[in-house]
This record gives sequence, C-alpha cells and structure tokens, in this order.
Amino acid sequence: NAGVTQTPKFRVLKTGQSMTLLCAQDMNHEYMYWYRQDPGMGLRLIHYSVGEGTTAKGEVPDGYNVSRLKKQNFLLGLESAAPSQTSVYFCASSYPGTGTLPQYFGPGTRLLVL
Amino acid sequence: AQSVAQPEDQVNVAEGNPLTVKCTYSVSGNPYLFWYVQYPNRGLQFLLKYITGDNLVKGSYGFEAEFNKSQTSFHLKKPSALVSDSALYFCAVRDVHYSSGATNKLIFGTGTLLAVQP
Repeated sequence: NAGVTQTPKFRVLKTGQSMTLLCAQDMNHEYMYWYRQDPGMGLRLIHYSVGEGTTAKGEVPDGYNVSRLKKQNFLLGLESAAPSQTSVYFCASSYPGTGTLPQYFGPGTRLLVL
Repeated sequence: AQSVAQPEDQVNVAEGNPLTVKCTYSVSGNPYLFWYVQYPNRGLQFLLKYITGDNLVKGSYGFEAEFNKSQTSFHLKKPSALVSDSALYFCAVRDVHYSSGATNKLIFGTGTLLAVQP
C-alpha cells in the first residue's frame, strides 16, 4: 500500500495564481483532512471530509476550496494565491469513528507564494 | 475552548539518557490524546494514544506516555534516547466541538523539537 500520497511535492506560485493540490489514499478511509503547518503554530485544519461528496470547514478555511468527488481523493484548491499561503500542506485520512482512531499523513507539499 | 500546550520548543538530551517531552491539555469531558512524530521532510507518524484505561500507554519505537488527569498532562517518555529519535513531536487531542456526527478531528500542539546528541 502506498498509504497517503500528495502531488506535487513542491511548488512555487506567483501572487494571484491558482493551483490544486491532490491527495490520494488507498486505505479505503472515509475521512480525509487538509492541514497547513507553519513554524511555531503546529498543524491547523483547513478543510475536512467525512465521506465522498461531503466537505466541511476547519479552523483556517479562508482562501481555500476543496472537493471530494471520489472516496480516495481529496483536492485542495487555491483560487488566488497570496504570500500568507506559503506553508507546508499535509493531507491525512482515517477510518470513521468518534475520535479514538489515528490519522495517517501524507509526505506534504511545500508551497512558496512570491 | 479546547487546547493542547507543548511548553518546550526544544528538548536536548544525550544519547542513552531518559527523555521527556511535555504536553498539557484543556478539554471538556474525557480527553482522547495522541502523540505523533515528524522526521525531517516527512509527514506525521502516529506514535501512541490514550483513550481510556491504564494511565501508562506504550507505543512505537520504545516510546510511552503517562496520562495524569489531575495535572491534565500527557507527557511522552523514553527510558534511553537514540540519536535517531531526533525529530519534531506533536501532541494532539480529539476535538469534541463538531456540529454533528463524528469526525476524528484533532487539535495539535505547536510541536517540540527533540535533539539527541551522540
């Protein structure tokens, strides 16, 4: 099993450009999450999904959109990138539950917005 | 509001010595607590969790954590540190403020960098 994979690994954008980050998991997990990691701030939840066709906002959703058209994929979009969105983005997935189950993380995407 | 605090940005320990990485939490109800490790340029890996039961939880790579309800702490420990343990460690707690259903959402601390010197 590949687990959780993320594409691309690294990207440089100019302010105002758009892009989509792709997350794929082969563990048949219902739940998927997008986080951003910034120095001194830990991981903050951007959006999450509890099943195919459903999405919900996390802690820091502004400037991002997501889609979960297939169970195994969770896409994160930046419509108009800003320097404040320079970060490392992590995707994670988990089985459904009431908070007792761990999340499994991808390797991350480093995004630099100039 | 629920929160997790990791009071130390960095912990330095000599190889072979015991290590402790501190975590305190603030939640309503029973806490579900987790530790994750992040090696350089990698994603987070699950180490261990406390849900209920024995206050001492054993996890991967020889790590263990002690749940202390009265001190609202969940410190990560290892009896003998290895250089290969050098990494960023995150404590997390289940987020119970979800509008409906279960989400397995987590609230993460800011992370503690563990540096083990040979």
